[in-house]
Amino acid sequence: KQEVTQIPAALSVPEGENLVLNCSFTDSAIYNLQWFRQDPGKGLTSLLLIQSSQREQTSGRLNASLDKSSGRSTLYIAASQPGDSATYLCAVRPLGTSNTGKLIFGQGTTLQVKP
Amino acid sequence: DTEVTQTPKHLVMGMTNKKSLKCEQHMGHRAMYWYKQKAKKPPELMFVYSYEKLSINESVPSRFSPECPNSSLLNLHLHALQPEDSALYLCASSHSPARGRQNTEAFFGQGTRLTVV
Repeated sequence: KQEVTQIPAALSVPEGENLVLNCSFTDSAIYNLQWFRQDPGKGLTSLLLIQSSQREQTSGRLNASLDKSSGRSTLYIAASQPGDSATYLCAVRPLGTSNTGKLIFGQGTTLQVKP
Repeated sequence: DTEVTQTPKHLVMGMTNKKSLKCEQHMGHRAMYWYKQKAKKPPELMFVYSYEKLSINESVPSRFSPECPNSSLLNLHLHALQPEDSALYLCASSHSPARGRQNTEAFFGQGTRLTVV
């Protein structure tokens, strides 16, 4: 059974720091991995999607990497800003669900960026 | 346009009421999903529709009844709910992985905050 873990559960940093959020998964048989952002009481905003054949994806100050063989992904945020404060969720789509798109989520990392 | 629209944003209902949640997308996605999210927990999958047919029901109680009337709309009909069903209900859509589609990036709506009293 696929399990997704995110460490740390919470993180507080001063503005301007570069930071890394971690995501690990137990079964490397995945179709893709997606990172989301969630503000309190709101829906999920898609940040980056990495296909299983890719090593990384970049969008602005965000860079996500994927090492499928070791079951790890990282989300790198450069020059953090108070507006980056939110909960960050990673989710994997396992192989074997190719006709459904089912996502399995980690517990999330709650980030606070202090001015 | 990568928007998934959910209505209503907030809903308070009694345990004997019948209500419906609605979800709409115009991205041409043929997979649509309902998730339930409790406070400080990740979303949990409830239902998946692929090409307007129910493909996954994650053992959800029958008091929740999904409906996909066409490729752009997804409904969740609620009846005789319990207070423990209070949660944020999220709708999502993506291209369906069926038929070899590669980019299955999922897009979520803002959710309906449901309170059962």
